[in-house]
Amino acid sequence: RKEVEQDPGPFNVPEGATVAFNCTYSNSASQSFFWYRQDCRKEPKLLMSVYSSGNEDGRFTAQLNRASQYISLLIRDSKLSDSATYLCVVGGYNKLIFGAGTRLAVHP
Amino acid sequence: DTEVTQTPKHLVMGMTNKKSLKCEQHMGHRAMYWYKQKAKKPPELMFVYSYEKLSINESVPSRFSPECPNSSLLNLHLHALQPEDSALYLCASSPNLAVQETQYFGPGTRLLVL
Repeated sequence: RKEVEQDPGPFNVPEGATVAFNCTYSNSASQSFFWYRQDCRKEPKLLMSVYSSGNEDGRFTAQLNRASQYISLLIRDSKLSDSATYLCVVGGYNKLIFGAGTRLAVHP
Repeated sequence: DTEVTQTPKHLVMGMTNKKSLKCEQHMGHRAMYWYKQKAKKPPELMFVYSYEKLSINESVPSRFSPECPNSSLLNLHLHALQPEDSALYLCASSPNLAVQETQYFGPGTRLLVL
């Protein structure tokens, strides 16, 4: 079993749609959780950290369920510029574990 | 300023060449990382430096040799690489290693080994 598993995608959605990505992790001792965004041929960039209480940043909402070892990312009112690969990332003591990423393509 | 810089942006080298990749950050971060990323795959951790000391080597072949001259700089020396080593090499930094914090990535060096 992979340490961090994500929906494989790709997700093809129209502008304005709401899309949700899911992620599960295997190590219950994991300490930190993130969503990174990576555009084609660019570096990963932090989208948001994920907390047990949930957190929201504009159109983006992230949730963490420690009991189920599950992380989610919700994107509302999708924009063309949201097209990218979204990486679920889980932090252990001294390194980050990356999921394989979920590709999102938003079309007009 | 959350910027990590990397040079060169692109590098083409033969299998007998020796080259170096460079990474720099001025955020006062004490942990720095090298990752390798192949197309359509997530980044794979190669090395971690904490307070200029090598903390993690993820069983990387010896043809890759990291160096941390000071707290702001991280190098990756390349020698006798193979074509399968062609990839995007990403440098990242974070405030420290003890408590895992956000890593900030540089733009990467796209390496092609012929």
